Amino acid sequence: DVVLTQTPVAQPVTLGDQASISCRSSQSLVHSNGNTYLEWYLQKPGQSPQLLIYKVSNRFSGVPDRFIGSGSGSDFTLKISRVEPEDLGVYYCFQATHDPYTFGAGTKLELK
Amino acid sequence: QVNLLQSGAALVKPGASVKLSCKASGYTFTDYYIHWVKQSHGKSLEWIGYINPNSGYTNYNEKFKSKATLTVDKSTNTAYMELSRLTSEDSATYYCTRIIRGTGFAYWGQGTLVTVSS
Repeated sequence: DVVLTQTPVAQPVTLGDQASISCRSSQSLVHSNGNTYLEWYLQKPGQSPQLLIYKVSNRFSGVPDRFIGSGSGSDFTLKISRVEPEDLGVYYCFQATHDPYTFGAGTKLELK
Repeated sequence: QVNLLQSGAALVKPGASVKLSCKASGYTFTDYYIHWVKQSHGKSLEWIGYINPNSGYTNYNEKFKSKATLTVDKSTNTAYMELSRLTSEDSATYYCTRIIRGTGFAYWGQGTLVTVSS
């Protein structure tokens, strides 16, 4: 199975700061069709996960442009510029290139 | 609007089975696969598998092949997941979810908490 390693485990931030989360895959996430099915989800306390980014860098409908996904192959990053209170929670990367699909262990974005 | 409404929390005894439901509304049920995801308390997410509501075709994560059985009832637009031979390791919140084509898991149920305890 593909292992997604997220760092850091926790990211203490001050509101208005930039935050950066890394997701490294145990193998390339480039599908045979040329797409890279790497997604980012945010789970706020007591809620279901919500989709932020799909195919590495595409923001889902309604996601603010302060969320920026980047990367290629097996190395990916989610940057959040100007962190706002509603951005706090646990971020997960997820890959749907290889079966079984897998999630990273999560990164908790929390206030300093 | 798309909605996935899951059944309520369940308290079940070790060794028993439980059947969770996910009622879909707001779209044509047979047009999209339903996926299931497990979240153990305070932990990460695990993809269990999916079912094609149109054909009944299923694809399971090997880890859950002997644990979960996915079915649908097209007459009620409901997807089900039965978990068998329950142990404490199966205590978790289980989500059903659906994609928007070309994106990711855009719609999620509210989750069903399963507690396995005698």
